Amino acid sequence: AQSVTQLDSQVPVFEEAPVELRCNYSSSVSVYLFWYVQYPNQGLQLLLKYLSGSTLVKGINGFEAEFNKSQTSFHLRKPSVHISDTAEYFCAVSEPTGGFKTIFGAGTRLFVKA
Amino acid sequence: NAGVTQTPKFQVLKTGQSMTLQCAQDMNHEYMSWYRQDPGMGLRLIHYSVGAGITDQGEVPNGYNVSRSTTEDFPLRLLSAAPSQTSVYFCASRAQGASGEKLFFGSGTQLSVL
Repeated sequence: AQSVTQLDSQVPVFEEAPVELRCNYSSSVSVYLFWYVQYPNQGLQLLLKYLSGSTLVKGINGFEAEFNKSQTSFHLRKPSVHISDTAEYFCAVSEPTGGFKTIFGAGTRLFVKA
Repeated sequence: NAGVTQTPKFQVLKTGQSMTLQCAQDMNHEYMSWYRQDPGMGLRLIHYSVGAGITDQGEVPNGYNVSRSTTEDFPLRLLSAAPSQTSVYFCASRAQGASGEKLFFGSGTQLSVL
């Protein structure tokens, strides 16, 4: 069964600084990988996803993530964060064939400080 | 564009009471699922359904029942509420078999069990 580990529960960062949110996954088969964002008191929305092909994936709001199969990682990055990026970020995994479940990590809370 | 609609938004129960959390989607999605969100634990899958009449257990199914009589609706039932079920509950849907597609989330139900 697939699983997801988000290595940081909280990440404080100053505005305009770069940030990396780390995600590792475990699965016995190939996977699809996702990053979702949850703004305060809202549901989750998709930031980006990796299905196949190029290992560098670009998403909304200037975020990007890199799939590394050998390290089973899918870290999320942004070169310059804004106050409005303060939110909780979730890494998720699903299996392409016969896999209907999407499993989420525990989340990383990003605090952007002025 | 209603998307995924959850009701109620807030609910307070006493231990032992029963209730049903409602979820409806108008996108003709075959796949629907329920997650609970707890601090530090991310989203955990409770139950999911790949179509009318078909349901299966997720990561934390105990204490919850589901049924899927129509494509649109996927209610979650708590037969005898316990304080451990205090959580925020999210319903999510996507096209069946398209595990690479994003999940559409409802706005959540905040449940407190006293």
